[in-house]
Amino acid sequence: DTEVTQTPKHLVMGMTNKKSLKCEQHMGHRAMYWYKQKAKKPPELMFVYSYEKLSINESVPSRFSPECPNSSLLNLHLHALQPEDSALYLCASKSGANVLTFGAGSRLTVL
Amino acid sequence: AQTVTQSQPEMSVQEAETVTLSCTYDTSESDYYLFWYKQPPSRQMILVIRQEAYKQQNATENRFSVNFQKAAKSFSLKISDSQLGDAAMYFCAYRSRTLLNRDDKIIFGKGTRLHILP
Repeated sequence: DTEVTQTPKHLVMGMTNKKSLKCEQHMGHRAMYWYKQKAKKPPELMFVYSYEKLSINESVPSRFSPECPNSSLLNLHLHALQPEDSALYLCASKSGANVLTFGAGSRLTVL
Repeated sequence: AQTVTQSQPEMSVQEAETVTLSCTYDTSESDYYLFWYKQPPSRQMILVIRQEAYKQQNATENRFSVNFQKAAKSFSLKISDSQLGDAAMYFCAYRSRTLLNRDDKIIFGKGTRLHILP
């Protein structure tokens, strides 16, 4: 299995909702990433988990809460989001050769 | 801090022709990785090519090759025999390889959107 699987592919939520994005990989990669990507822009790093511990938090607002329950799974919990949080959320895992494998993304719309 | 600059926001090339996308970077480190990633419209980002800074030989993957000029801090991507499927946003990226550097960031340039003209 050489994929990073993200669910859901699309999510629409109101500003008072609580939802979660899920990311899974079975390649044995020990570093996993959350990126936020706006249209026609590069990915912006949000969080990095290394060996299931949060190693980087790029000053992301607390309405985004990451979780890494095990080495294959990464979640991003969403609560009280703003319309400007609408974006494509990309998960990636990093191989020992330092190559990122990206998922297809979860497109989030906040109403 | 390291930076990656892609000076061409958009480019176009005729199908079957060759195109070169430029990337420059700034770093004080001597050992690092450089990457080109491709993101087709509404599709997944995938790795095109990877270069290790300590290797003088330019990386090549089929129709994709790089011109790595370490002293000039330049890392351009050449696509030969362009195909319609090459149309995408291309991101140049940098990662430190310094052993003491526990910062696991991969720094992306702003991207170049490549159009292939039939």
